[in-house]
Amino acid sequence: AAGVIQSPRHLIKEKRETATLKCYPIPRHDTVYWYQQGPGQDPQFLISFYEKMQSDKGSIPDRFSAQQFSDYHSELNMSSLELGDSALYFCASSLAPPLAATDTQYFGPGTRLTVL
Amino acid sequence: AQSVTQLGSHVSVSEGALVLLRCNYSSSVPPYLFWYVQYPNQGLQLLLKYTTGATLVKGINGFEAEFKKSETSFHLTKPSAHMSDAAEYFCAVSVGSGYALNFGKGTSLLVTP
Repeated sequence: AAGVIQSPRHLIKEKRETATLKCYPIPRHDTVYWYQQGPGQDPQFLISFYEKMQSDKGSIPDRFSAQQFSDYHSELNMSSLELGDSALYFCASSLAPPLAATDTQYFGPGTRLTVL
Repeated sequence: AQSVTQLGSHVSVSEGALVLLRCNYSSSVPPYLFWYVQYPNQGLQLLLKYTTGATLVKGINGFEAEFKKSETSFHLTKPSAHMSDAAEYFCAVSVGSGYALNFGKGTSLLVTP
């Protein structure tokens, strides 16, 4: 079965640079979520989109922005990178009711961002 | 607001022994509860979930969990541990479909021969 695709899988950036992470949800899924998992930490919710509109916002820094496109893929844009942004960034997708009785978030493999 | 607390950041069991990973939740509304497993350098895989209905939920790889409202718990169990079960386990809660997951701090399961 098709899964959530994230690219790139690994990314190395310098401080103050920008980065763009991409997420391709499972086909027909209309909701995308972004999570950040620091070293040894639990995943923290950043932001989510439903039908190309922002649906929920968590602890996303102002330096970050995201959007969902017409084909439902999503991009997380990160600017003025800091050392503390080094983390594993997960994208998850789901199919919202009423097309699904209850949604389940399916996670991608993550993008490991290292800021030097 | 909703949250989960996982008791025990590290749990060690012998191969073939019972696995019990504890999770207690706090939620102002009926919660949706999940258990995810994360193997090293990999993404999160859903083990099982509780939304409504039967309180005993069976998942993949022989795991199950029971939703106990009176105890605000959603503990994960497996009758017999296998070496391949060694991983990080996260309990998570949301208030419903389309909402973000709030994860616990995780429990690292070690299985010894």
